[in-house]
Amino acid sequence: QQNVQQSPESLIVPEGARTSLNCTFSDSASQYFWWYRQHSGKAPKALMSIFSNGEKEEGRFTIHLNKASLHFSLHIRDSQPSDSALYLCAHLPNYNVLYFGSGTKLTVEP
Amino acid sequence: EAAVTQSPRNKVAVTGGKVTLSCNQTNNHNNMYWYRQDTGHGLRLIHYSYGAGSTEKGDIPDGYKASRPSQENFSLILELATPSQTSVYFCASGDAGGDNSDYTFGSGTRLLVI
Repeated sequence: QQNVQQSPESLIVPEGARTSLNCTFSDSASQYFWWYRQHSGKAPKALMSIFSNGEKEEGRFTIHLNKASLHFSLHIRDSQPSDSALYLCAHLPNYNVLYFGSGTKLTVEP
Repeated sequence: EAAVTQSPRNKVAVTGGKVTLSCNQTNNHNNMYWYRQDTGHGLRLIHYSYGAGSTEKGDIPDGYKASRPSQENFSLILELATPSQTSVYFCASGDAGGDNSDYTFGSGTRLLVI
């Protein structure tokens, strides 16, 4: 069983804040990493993915991957109330099976 | 539009009864998955499949069976449902491989076992 730890469990931030979510995984051989976002009562949807060490930015969202430290993070700039959701990190330790963390519940207050 | 469709959306079952959750995908993906989601546990893998006729055990397979009769369909079967199986179940399809890797989820089935 793959171990994926997310922190914090929950987070409340004011609108406009910079938010950081963290994920630690156990398998250094993993090659593929995702952040999923799940709004209440809805299906998880892929937000961003990264397949090599480094940083990737899309709009207000930036992800960092450091395979040496087994660490993966998501940063949200200028957080909006519409960003309120459950954020799930996921990785692919073998070729076919996607494993998820337990999630961080983000609330952005107007 | 490619999609993953689950049925039913909601189900109430009695303890000891048989429950079948169905999933259909139009993504033409080889791989399909069943996860359950409970508060504090994220998504936990129950069973998965590499293609028609194959099923593999995930992390929490006890009490569940799976069936993949075709590329498009993947079912999760609870032969003897228990209250501990009350949860939200998600089906997904996906194929790994570089920047085109894509895993798509259905809308979920909310199961209550009483």
